[in-house]
Amino acid sequence: AQKVTQAQTEISVVEKEDVTLDCVYETRDTTYYLFWYKQPPSGELVFLIRRNSFDEQNEISGRYSWNFQKSTSSFNFTITASQVVDSAVYFCALSEADDYKLSFGAGTTVTVRA
Amino acid sequence: DAMVIQNPRYQVTQFGKPVTLSCSQTLNHNVMYWYQQKSSQAPKLLFHYYDKDFNNEADTPDNFQSRRPNTSFCFLDIRSPGLGDAAMYLCATSPQSSYNEQFFGPGTRLTVL
Repeated sequence: AQKVTQAQTEISVVEKEDVTLDCVYETRDTTYYLFWYKQPPSGELVFLIRRNSFDEQNEISGRYSWNFQKSTSSFNFTITASQVVDSAVYFCALSEADDYKLSFGAGTTVTVRA
Repeated sequence: DAMVIQNPRYQVTQFGKPVTLSCSQTLNHNVMYWYQQKSSQAPKLLFHYYDKDFNNEADTPDNFQSRRPNTSFCFLDIRSPGLGDAAMYLCATSPQSSYNEQFFGPGTRLTVL
């Protein structure tokens, strides 16, 4: 069974628009970790955030913000005032307790047009 | 700067000709991973090392092997590359204290002719 679902395959926005990426996860563990990675065209996976299952506090980092809701098993990511440099594939991932493996979602391709 | 380095960034090989991809890290992390990422897909874990202990994923083909001669270096050997092995190969590391926080290298894009 797929553990991480990113329902949006592609999102295209005009610069300065906000964009929200959805991530829904599935796990039976009470302890787990959620991640977001950015993969620009160069190919490198860039770590954006890690959140553990006991910390539901939302987080803001510059133009990025994350909304973690255990009640709906969601960990959504918003880019405010998008810029062309935000164009990339964004992956949500889950790691369960005592497991080295990251289960990635299928990724959402974000295109920001000037 | 501490980092994960992969060489080469682009590798072209012929069908059936063995190829080795390399990864090095200056982070001194215990755990090193190899992922395969095909076009428009999510990364797929092939195997990982915890120090010298090798852990193979159940669905990783026998065609893929790995070596870790020391903490800093890890190699991915593809014994007989097929056309279906063309992909981006990503190396990652993580520290023992926070093993699921993985730091990725820039990747090696493998083309099989």
